[in-house]
Amino acid sequence: DAGITQSPRHKVTETGTPVTLRCHQTENHRYMYWYRQDPGHGLRLIHYSYGVKDTDKGEVSDGYSVSRSKTEDFLLTLESATSSQTSVYFCAISDSTGTTYEQYFGPGTRLTVT
Amino acid sequence: GESVGLHLPTLSVQEGDNSIINCAYSNSASDYFIWYKQESGKGPQFIIDIRSNMDKRQGQRVTVLLNKTVKHLSLQIAATQPGDSAVYFCAATYNFNKFYFGSGTKLNVKP
Repeated sequence: DAGITQSPRHKVTETGTPVTLRCHQTENHRYMYWYRQDPGHGLRLIHYSYGVKDTDKGEVSDGYSVSRSKTEDFLLTLESATSSQTSVYFCAISDSTGTTYEQYFGPGTRLTVT
Repeated sequence: GESVGLHLPTLSVQEGDNSIINCAYSNSASDYFIWYKQESGKGPQFIIDIRSNMDKRQGQRVTVLLNKTVKHLSLQIAATQPGDSAVYFCAATYNFNKFYFGSGTKLNVKP
Protein backbone atom coordinates (compact mmCIF):
# COMPACT_ATOMS: atom_id res chain seq x y z
CA ASP A 1 0.00 0.00 0.00
CA ALA A 2 1.11 3.53 -0.74
CA GLY A 3 2.36 5.33 2.35
CA ILE A 4 -0.54 7.64 3.06
CA THR A 5 -1.90 8.36 6.50
CA GLN A 6 -4.75 10.61 7.54
CA SER A 7 -5.36 12.08 10.94
CA PRO A 8 -7.59 12.05 12.77
CA ARG A 9 -9.50 9.01 11.49
CA HIS A 10 -12.68 10.07 13.26
CA LYS A 11 -13.77 13.42 14.59
CA VAL A 12 -16.94 14.87 16.03
CA THR A 13 -17.09 18.63 16.28
CA GLU A 14 -19.64 21.35 16.83
CA THR A 15 -20.98 23.79 14.28
CA GLY A 16 -18.84 26.90 14.04
CA THR A 17 -15.60 25.37 15.27
CA PRO A 18 -12.46 25.21 13.12
CA VAL A 19 -11.24 21.78 12.06
CA THR A 20 -7.99 20.72 10.42
CA LEU A 21 -7.46 17.36 8.78
CA ARG A 22 -3.98 16.17 7.96
CA CYS A 23 -2.71 14.01 5.14
CA HIS A 24 0.82 12.69 5.30
CA GLN A 25 2.65 10.77 2.58
CA THR A 26 5.99 9.00 2.50
CA GLU A 27 6.05 8.48 -1.29
CA ASN A 28 7.42 11.90 -2.30
CA HIS A 29 4.58 12.22 -4.83
CA ARG A 30 4.04 15.62 -6.39
CA TYR A 31 0.24 15.73 -6.45
CA MET A 32 -2.00 15.60 -3.42
CA TYR A 33 -5.81 15.79 -3.34
CA TRP A 34 -8.63 16.19 -0.88
CA TYR A 35 -12.00 14.62 -1.68
CA ARG A 36 -15.22 14.29 0.20
CA GLN A 37 -17.48 11.29 -0.18
CA ASP A 38 -21.21 11.47 0.44
CA PRO A 39 -23.96 8.96 -0.34
CA GLY A 40 -25.20 9.40 -3.90
CA HIS A 41 -22.39 11.76 -4.86
CA GLY A 42 -19.37 9.59 -5.16
CA LEU A 43 -16.07 11.39 -4.61
CA ARG A 44 -15.93 15.12 -5.14
CA LEU A 45 -12.70 17.08 -5.35
CA ILE A 46 -12.29 19.84 -2.77
CA HIS A 47 -8.76 21.10 -3.42
CA TYR A 48 -5.60 19.72 -4.85
CA SER A 49 -1.90 20.56 -4.81
CA TYR A 50 0.63 20.18 -7.60
CA GLY A 51 3.65 21.13 -5.50
CA VAL A 52 4.76 22.82 -2.31
CA LYS A 53 2.72 25.99 -1.87
CA ASP A 54 0.92 25.31 -5.17
CA THR A 55 -2.77 24.57 -4.77
CA ASP A 56 -5.96 24.91 -6.76
CA LYS A 57 -9.68 24.60 -6.17
CA GLY A 58 -11.82 21.62 -6.99
CA GLU A 59 -15.55 21.43 -7.61
CA VAL A 60 -16.67 21.83 -3.96
CA SER A 61 -14.08 24.18 -2.44
CA ASP A 62 -16.40 26.66 -0.67
CA GLY A 63 -15.86 26.59 3.08
CA TYR A 64 -12.51 24.80 2.81
CA SER A 65 -8.91 25.95 2.63
CA VAL A 66 -5.69 23.99 2.20
CA SER A 67 -2.02 24.39 2.78
CA ARG A 68 1.05 22.51 1.69
CA SER A 69 4.27 23.78 3.24
CA LYS A 70 6.24 20.60 2.52
CA THR A 71 5.97 17.76 0.07
CA GLU A 72 4.74 15.19 2.55
CA ASP A 73 1.92 17.10 4.24
CA PHE A 74 -1.35 18.47 2.89
CA LEU A 75 -3.72 20.08 5.36
CA LEU A 76 -7.44 20.65 4.89
CA THR A 77 -9.07 23.29 7.10
CA LEU A 78 -12.71 23.96 7.72
CA GLU A 79 -12.62 27.50 9.09
CA SER A 80 -16.09 27.26 10.64
CA ALA A 81 -17.58 23.80 10.37
CA THR A 82 -21.20 23.40 9.27
CA SER A 83 -23.47 20.35 9.35
CA SER A 84 -23.29 20.14 5.55
CA GLN A 85 -19.59 19.33 5.92
CA THR A 86 -20.37 16.10 7.71
CA SER A 87 -18.76 13.60 5.39
CA VAL A 88 -15.95 11.13 4.86
CA TYR A 89 -12.80 12.88 3.65
CA PHE A 90 -10.19 11.12 1.57
CA CYS A 91 -6.72 12.25 0.74
CA ALA A 92 -5.06 10.96 -2.42
CA ILE A 93 -1.62 11.24 -3.97
CA SER A 94 -0.31 10.72 -7.47
CA ASP A 95 2.87 11.15 -9.42
CA SER A 96 2.60 11.00 -13.16
CA THR A 97 5.01 8.54 -14.67
CA GLY A 98 3.90 9.40 -18.16
CA THR A 99 1.93 6.19 -18.49
CA THR A 100 -0.44 6.24 -15.58
CA TYR A 101 -2.01 8.89 -13.40
CA GLU A 102 -3.19 6.49 -10.75
CA GLN A 103 -4.27 8.09 -7.51
CA TYR A 104 -3.51 6.31 -4.26
CA PHE A 105 -6.04 6.95 -1.54
CA GLY A 106 -5.66 7.18 2.20
CA PRO A 107 -7.94 5.37 4.67
CA GLY A 108 -10.31 8.33 5.11
CA THR A 109 -11.43 10.59 7.95
CA ARG A 110 -15.01 10.45 9.11
CA LEU A 111 -16.07 13.93 10.23
CA THR A 112 -19.34 14.60 12.00
CA VAL A 113 -20.45 18.18 12.62
CA THR A 114 -23.21 18.45 15.22
CA GLY B 1 -16.08 20.58 -16.12
CA GLU B 2 -17.20 17.02 -16.33
CA SER B 3 -20.12 14.98 -15.15
CA VAL B 4 -19.74 11.26 -14.62
CA GLY B 5 -22.63 8.93 -13.93
CA LEU B 6 -23.06 5.25 -13.35
CA HIS B 7 -26.06 3.45 -14.73
CA LEU B 8 -26.96 1.24 -11.81
CA PRO B 9 -26.50 1.97 -8.11
CA THR B 10 -26.57 -1.77 -7.32
CA LEU B 11 -25.73 -4.89 -9.28
CA SER B 12 -26.22 -8.43 -8.02
CA VAL B 13 -24.55 -11.36 -9.74
CA GLN B 14 -24.03 -15.02 -9.04
CA GLU B 15 -20.55 -16.20 -8.13
CA GLY B 16 -18.79 -17.36 -11.28
CA ASP B 17 -20.82 -15.18 -13.63
CA ASN B 18 -19.41 -12.22 -15.48
CA SER B 19 -20.21 -8.71 -14.25
CA ILE B 20 -20.59 -5.59 -16.33
CA ILE B 21 -20.58 -2.16 -14.70
CA ASN B 22 -21.34 0.86 -16.86
CA CYS B 23 -20.35 4.50 -16.70
CA ALA B 24 -21.15 7.56 -18.79
CA TYR B 25 -19.31 10.85 -19.00
CA SER B 26 -20.30 14.19 -20.45
CA ASN B 27 -17.15 15.97 -21.60
CA SER B 28 -15.90 14.84 -24.99
CA ALA B 29 -12.51 16.32 -24.08
CA SER B 30 -12.02 13.72 -21.34
CA ASP B 31 -9.18 11.52 -22.47
CA TYR B 32 -8.18 9.41 -19.50
CA PHE B 33 -10.34 7.13 -17.40
CA ILE B 34 -9.81 5.03 -14.31
CA TRP B 35 -11.88 2.36 -12.60
CA TYR B 36 -11.60 2.08 -8.81
CA LYS B 37 -12.82 -0.50 -6.32
CA GLN B 38 -13.80 0.55 -2.82
CA GLU B 39 -14.35 -1.95 -0.06
CA SER B 40 -16.32 -1.03 3.02
CA GLY B 41 -14.41 1.28 5.34
CA LYS B 42 -11.47 1.71 2.97
CA GLY B 43 -10.28 4.17 0.39
CA PRO B 44 -10.70 3.46 -3.34
CA GLN B 45 -8.14 1.21 -5.00
CA PHE B 46 -7.01 1.42 -8.62
CA ILE B 47 -8.22 -1.40 -10.86
CA ILE B 48 -7.46 -0.40 -14.42
CA ASP B 49 -7.10 2.69 -16.59
CA ILE B 50 -7.57 3.51 -20.25
CA ARG B 51 -6.64 6.40 -22.48
CA SER B 52 -8.88 7.79 -25.18
CA ASN B 53 -6.64 6.47 -27.95
CA MET B 54 -7.71 2.96 -26.98
CA ASP B 55 -11.12 1.29 -27.01
CA LYS B 56 -10.25 -1.76 -24.94
CA ARG B 57 -7.78 -2.70 -22.27
CA GLN B 58 -7.45 -5.91 -20.34
CA GLY B 59 -6.08 -6.71 -16.93
CA GLN B 60 -6.28 -9.71 -14.72
CA ARG B 61 -9.94 -10.83 -14.93
CA VAL B 62 -10.99 -7.28 -15.82
CA THR B 63 -11.58 -5.55 -19.13
CA VAL B 64 -12.43 -1.90 -19.70
CA LEU B 65 -14.23 -0.87 -22.87
CA LEU B 66 -14.38 2.74 -24.02
CA ASN B 67 -16.86 4.07 -26.57
CA LYS B 68 -15.98 7.68 -27.25
CA THR B 69 -18.81 8.13 -29.71
CA VAL B 70 -21.44 7.78 -27.02
CA LYS B 71 -19.14 8.76 -24.15
CA HIS B 72 -19.54 5.46 -22.35
CA LEU B 73 -17.21 3.06 -20.66
CA SER B 74 -17.73 -0.26 -18.98
CA LEU B 75 -15.87 -2.53 -16.61
CA GLN B 76 -16.20 -6.24 -17.16
CA ILE B 77 -15.21 -8.66 -14.42
CA ALA B 78 -14.82 -12.26 -15.47
CA ALA B 79 -15.80 -15.16 -13.21
CA THR B 80 -16.93 -12.86 -10.41
CA GLN B 81 -15.84 -13.93 -6.94
CA PRO B 82 -17.14 -13.03 -3.46
CA GLY B 83 -14.00 -10.92 -2.96
CA ASP B 84 -15.18 -8.71 -5.82
CA SER B 85 -18.08 -7.45 -3.72
CA ALA B 86 -17.47 -3.72 -3.35
CA VAL B 87 -18.44 -0.35 -4.76
CA TYR B 88 -16.96 0.43 -8.17
CA PHE B 89 -16.28 3.95 -9.40
CA CYS B 90 -15.21 5.30 -12.73
CA ALA B 91 -13.30 8.57 -12.94
CA ALA B 92 -12.60 10.81 -15.91
CA THR B 93 -10.22 13.66 -16.54
CA TYR B 94 -9.32 15.99 -19.40
CA ASN B 95 -6.30 17.67 -17.82
CA PHE B 96 -4.80 14.99 -15.54
CA ASN B 97 -5.12 17.33 -12.57
CA LYS B 98 -8.79 17.11 -11.73
CA PHE B 99 -10.61 13.80 -11.75
CA TYR B 100 -14.38 13.56 -11.79
CA PHE B 101 -15.93 10.52 -10.18
CA GLY B 102 -19.24 8.79 -10.72
CA SER B 103 -21.47 7.97 -7.77
CA GLY B 104 -20.55 4.29 -7.76
CA THR B 105 -22.16 0.91 -8.38
CA LYS B 106 -22.36 -1.52 -5.51
CA LEU B 107 -21.59 -5.03 -6.71
CA ASN B 108 -23.10 -7.86 -4.66
CA VAL B 109 -21.81 -11.34 -5.41
CA LYS B 110 -24.14 -14.12 -4.37
CA PRO B 111 -22.52 -17.46 -3.44
